[in-house]
Amino acid sequence: DIQMTQSPSTLSASVGDRVTITCRASQSISSWLAWYQQKPGKAPKLLIYKASSLESGVPSRFSGSGSGTEFTLTISSLQPDDFATYYCQQYNFIGYTFGQGTKLEIK
Amino acid sequence: QLQLQESGPGLVKPSETLSLTCTVSGGSISSSSYYWGWIRQPPGKGLEWIGSIYYSGSTYYNPSLKSRVTISVDTSKNQFSLKLSSVTAADTAVYYCARSEERITMIVVPGPFDYWGQGTLVTVSS
Repeated sequence: DIQMTQSPSTLSASVGDRVTITCRASQSISSWLAWYQQKPGKAPKLLIYKASSLESGVPSRFSGSGSGTEFTLTISSLQPDDFATYYCQQYNFIGYTFGQGTKLEIK
Repeated sequence: QLQLQESGPGLVKPSETLSLTCTVSGGSISSSSYYWGWIRQPPGKGLEWIGSIYYSGSTYYNPSLKSRVTISVDTSKNQFSLKLSSVTAADTAVYYCARSEERITMIVVPGPFDYWGQGTLVTVSS
């Protein structure tokens, strides 16, 4: 299994802050990485695919980068609607796996 | 607008088989460009991919669950289904169905999940 490790597990930030979440894969997954946002009681929402491609309708303040084993999700200027849990997912190797999640909290 | 809706029993007894159906509306499950999958999330925990099926019936399963999982598709009803056998309390989770675009490499595999159902909680308890 490919292990996906996110850091930090919890992140406290304020509206307007720039934040970065990191996702590391236990072996190279090329650029086959997605990022999701999940709010309590709701299904995850796809934000980024292929490491850096923005899903249609997702605000441009979200961006992704990386390849191989290290990836980042950046929110350039936090909005109140962005406080949620974020997950990365590798889809290079069957046995698709998600990171454990990063909870973004209001400071 | 594509919509997915899970349905099935909310309570299953240990050792029995969990059965869920996902009904797709606003699009055809027979489209050649998409996989249809199941993902679960135990209460308060992270996401686990269970498996995905192509409209043709080709499947991919999570190796850790493969011995207990069957995913099937009914194109006439625009539905796909999940069966998970020999359940235990560890299978208690919110189960989501979702769509993913195909990713073409040397073979055709599922991509990331772009449309999701709202999820249904299945509790395993006697």
